[in-house]
Amino acid sequence: AQSVTQLGSHVSVSEGALVLLRCNYSSSVPPYLFWYVQYPNQGLQLLLKYTSAATLVKGINGFEAEFKKSETSFHLTKPSAHMSDAAEYFCVVTYGGSQGNLIFGKGTKLSVKP
Amino acid sequence: DGGITQSPKYLFRKEGQNVTLSCEQNLNHDAMYWYRQDPGQGLRLIYYSQIVNDFQKGDIAEGYSVSREKKESFPLTVTSAQKNPTAFYLCASSMGGTLRPYGYTFGSGTRLTVV
Repeated sequence: AQSVTQLGSHVSVSEGALVLLRCNYSSSVPPYLFWYVQYPNQGLQLLLKYTSAATLVKGINGFEAEFKKSETSFHLTKPSAHMSDAAEYFCVVTYGGSQGNLIFGKGTKLSVKP
Repeated sequence: DGGITQSPKYLFRKEGQNVTLSCEQNLNHDAMYWYRQDPGQGLRLIYYSQIVNDFQKGDIAEGYSVSREKKESFPLTVTSAQKNPTAFYLCASSMGGTLRPYGYTFGSGTRLTVV
């Protein structure tokens, strides 16, 4: 079965440090890829998406992600963490087809230390 | 501004009761979805609907029911058959189109607790 793996359920960084959240998908067919962010007791907000155009995708709040087909990865990065980045981040894939096959990673909680 | 509205934000259910969670969107999206979120498990699909008067079961549909009588509305009923309903429920919508997923727009969620 197709799946998406987020390495690390919790990641902690210092304010100003690099943020790296890892995501790998399991398919030889390139999917459509998304990163969403969720703040406590809120819905999910789209950070960025890859839909087979440029492999380096820029999103909101200074985040970006690079699609690497050879590594089946779509890691999320931000050069300098801010306290307001503390949230849970979800990597999501879909292969088109049925509208019901959005596949969510289990999420990574990002903590930012002052 | 367009968006998705979920209500109520918090809901308490007694054992054996049915409760209905509301989801309304004014984005003119064709497809709507219900997800359940539990800590450490990501989101799991309960039901989805691609057009009015049609809906499909997701991965964990048992104990839930939905209707799609209007394009804007996709209410979810948590029935007494759902043995562990305490969770955070998220509604989402998308423009649809099987070959061009545009990403989903999510509501702000309803937290359901059994008391």
